[in-house]
Amino acid sequence: GESVGLHLPTLSVQEGDNSIINCAYSNSASDYFIWYKQESGKGPQFIIDIRSNMDKRQGQRVTVLLNKTVKHLSLQIAATQPGDSAVYFCAETVNQGGKLIFGQGTELSVKP
Amino acid sequence: DSGVTQTPKHLITATGQRVTLRCSPRSGDLSVYWYQQSLDQGLQFLIQYYNGEERAKGNILERFSAQQFPDLHSELNLSSLELGDSALYFCASSATAGLPYGYTFGSGTRLTVV
Repeated sequence: GESVGLHLPTLSVQEGDNSIINCAYSNSASDYFIWYKQESGKGPQFIIDIRSNMDKRQGQRVTVLLNKTVKHLSLQIAATQPGDSAVYFCAETVNQGGKLIFGQGTELSVKP
Repeated sequence: DSGVTQTPKHLITATGQRVTLRCSPRSGDLSVYWYQQSLDQGLQFLIQYYNGEERAKGNILERFSAQQFPDLHSELNLSSLELGDSALYFCASSATAGLPYGYTFGSGTRLTVV
């Protein structure tokens, strides 16, 4: 398939392990955050979101943590599977606008 | 299938040429967003339209323009193309103009300028 080709940070994990992907955001005024998954040749796919008035939100096998003090966001994936292999992006919006500001992305590689 | 349709999937053209990328949003969505994903810049917001009107603008070059038609489909026009314009161009749609709840991306158009 096609890839973006960026020199992205890479996280390599064993199947079944938990994965933690980190993201530092830039704007303290950002009030809504989203994690996206992008597989080769596809558009970004929504995983989970969190508002700035929360510090944790859980989904199915995924948890997002938000630390506004240090402007840090993390995505935890439990029991990582080969199908989780992809590039993961965090994105933020400012003042509840529709425009998303994306982080650089992290490539997750899951070893069977 | 995300419900956001982008055509064409691939486009190869020469420097100096003009191309048009098309996006059909999900049924019922009024906002359309265009993003560029290049090798060195990652995903960059270009422009947003809401119900036919320009709503927000990012770092979109003057050589690029967009519009949203009454049937809500959108076109991104890229002119005087340069090698550096080679990238993936994504369209996304959402129901509202504000917080991107239900923000859905299409599969993109890969533009190669030779």
